[in-house]
Amino acid sequence: GAVVSQHPSRVICKSGTSVKIECRSLDFQATTMFWYRQFPKQSLMLMATSNEGSKATYEQGVEKDKFLINHASLTLSTLTVTSAHPEDSSFYICSAFRTSGERGSDTQYFGPGTRLTVL
Amino acid sequence: SQKIEQNSEALNIQEGKTATLTCNYTNYSPAYLQWYRQDPGRGPVFLLLIRENEKEKRKERLKVTFDTTLKQSLFHITASQPADSATYLCALAGGGNKLTFGTGTQLKVEL
Repeated sequence: GAVVSQHPSRVICKSGTSVKIECRSLDFQATTMFWYRQFPKQSLMLMATSNEGSKATYEQGVEKDKFLINHASLTLSTLTVTSAHPEDSSFYICSAFRTSGERGSDTQYFGPGTRLTVL
Repeated sequence: SQKIEQNSEALNIQEGKTATLTCNYTNYSPAYLQWYRQDPGRGPVFLLLIRENEKEKRKERLKVTFDTTLKQSLFHITASQPADSATYLCALAGGGNKLTFGTGTQLKVEL
């Protein structure tokens, strides 16, 4: 159990266009999902927390108008990179938070990632 | 400021030996700590979670220790295999179920 998918796995786009990335929890419901970005040889950096039915909360330094997040259902969150530029090229990874029912044992399950290249 | 440190240098070991990876942190009081495995071009895969009141946790060939006094976690892989080669990330849980990740340590298990 605890499978999270992302689509697409790889996308190449022109500068100025928008790109949408989907994150789905396939076998559990997730009221909370997270979006991360990872540059080569670096760690995952949290961009925002996506809450089902409410607005996402963004980490400091992340532009909410540039990275639009929608969490319309308990199994789907989307990240739209608007007016993409080459510096937005990165590996974007989502995770879905799964509660285990046991205090202190809840954890995040990650999708396989989306490689975005902006030309 | 909060900091999580993992050995940035790759760890090379021989097959069959025990690999030990270190995660040190400062200015944190995490409720729990997790270890993930990440292969190139893939998302992290959850391995183990250890709570602040637990000293040690095991799962098959994996063992994690958590010393909240030293602010350190050790991650051990016994009887290592070439398939264990990957980058291993430690992550600390903060408020709002957020995770903060270390930079990861690359492990290479050689035949």
